[in-house]
Amino acid sequence: DTEVTQTPKHLVMGMTNKKSLKCEQHMGHRAMYWYKQKAKKPPELMFVYSYEKLSINESVPSRFSPECPNSSLLNLHLHALQPEDSALYLCASSQDPRQGTETQYFGPGTRLLVL
Amino acid sequence: SQQGEEDPQALSIQEGENATMNCSYKTSINNLQWYRQNSGRGLVHLILIRSNEREKHSGRLRVTLDTSKKSSSLLITASRAADTASYFCATDGWDKVIFGPGTSLSVIP
Repeated sequence: DTEVTQTPKHLVMGMTNKKSLKCEQHMGHRAMYWYKQKAKKPPELMFVYSYEKLSINESVPSRFSPECPNSSLLNLHLHALQPEDSALYLCASSQDPRQGTETQYFGPGTRLLVL
Repeated sequence: SQQGEEDPQALSIQEGENATMNCSYKTSINNLQWYRQNSGRGLVHLILIRSNEREKHSGRLRVTLDTSKKSSSLLITASRAADTASYFCATDGWDKVIFGPGTSLSVIP
């Protein structure tokens, strides 16, 4: 299984809502990533988990809260988002966090719209 | 910034033609990767080339790396309409991958 899955595919939420994005991989990868991508822009790294521990937080606002319950799952909890947070949120994984710049496998993304 | 910069930003070609995209970067790297992204979808890894390699092939893809010029190129031969996508180069930062702005390729049937 070489697939990273993400749910939901689409999400519309108000600025007072709380929602969560979910990512799952069963490739035995020990590094997992959250990226944010705006239209016609490259992905921007948000968080990196290495062996289920948060290793990189790219100064992301606290309204985004990541969680890694186990080595296969990665969540992104959303609360009190702003309209400018509307974007495609991509999850990725890679085999060995000690080689964090190796090939990453991406999920299809969650398209988020904040009203 | 160690971010790669792709050139051109957009490229439109006829099916069957070759497409060449270039990536330049600023600091030393251990490896450079190319990814493809179809509209609104996740990224797909195409190829990784290490700093001690000069050229690498994968099917219709050919990647070159010139570390002296800090540049890489991606050649897609005999393009197909299905190759229409955005292509990103990604360089290795200290502990993360950094994506360039991308080249948008349109292959016209």
